[in-house]
Amino acid sequence: QKEVEQNSGPLSVPEGAIASLNCTYSDRGSQSFFWYRQYSGKSPELIMSIYSNGDKEDGRFTAQLNKASQYVSLLIRDSQPSDSATYLCAVNDGDSWGKLQFGAGTQVVVTP
Amino acid sequence: KAGVTQTPRYLIKTRGQQVTLSCSPISGHRSVSWYQQTPGQGLQFLFEYFSETQRNKGNFPGRFSGRQFSNSRSEMNVSTLELGDSALYLCASRTDRATNEKLFFGSGTQLSVL
Repeated sequence: QKEVEQNSGPLSVPEGAIASLNCTYSDRGSQSFFWYRQYSGKSPELIMSIYSNGDKEDGRFTAQLNKASQYVSLLIRDSQPSDSATYLCAVNDGDSWGKLQFGAGTQVVVTP
Repeated sequence: KAGVTQTPRYLIKTRGQQVTLSCSPISGHRSVSWYQQTPGQGLQFLFEYFSETQRNKGNFPGRFSGRQFSNSRSEMNVSTLELGDSALYLCASRTDRATNEKLFFGSGTQLSVL
């Protein structure tokens, strides 16, 4: 059973602080890693993708990947109330083209 | 460029009925996937279609089926609805030129089975 595990939330973050989200995965064949943001009642929105070990920065978001440890993380710098959402970690299934395995999601609540 | 379009946005059905959901992918995207999202199980993969062929299937009963048309539009059908089928059904598309491609989701169809 391939699994994607995320921190259980909710994660409460003061406005302006850094939110740190973690994700581990079991499928060593996975090569593509994504972070989606999902607001309540809305569909998932892709915010970051990462394919190589190391860090990838995009605006206030930084994704970090360590394939040896089967670990991927997302940092949200200068957190804003609009960042309050559920963040889903998704990992491609190494055996099935086009299939993503999703974690349960971590709810982030940014408090003013 | 228009995003992934799903219709209808909301559906209310009763147990035993059948339902068909529709998805139009982003222009140029040839792969369409369907996911089910529930509070208890999260996002679960249903199936993926490419060039009118089902390429992958998740662990769902045969009541769940789908198809893809030559214009890449896809439909998903659920027969003999059960209460547990109440969920948000999400369609996603990608161009399918590489394995690491990003998947883009539609707004979803919220299905309620009474």
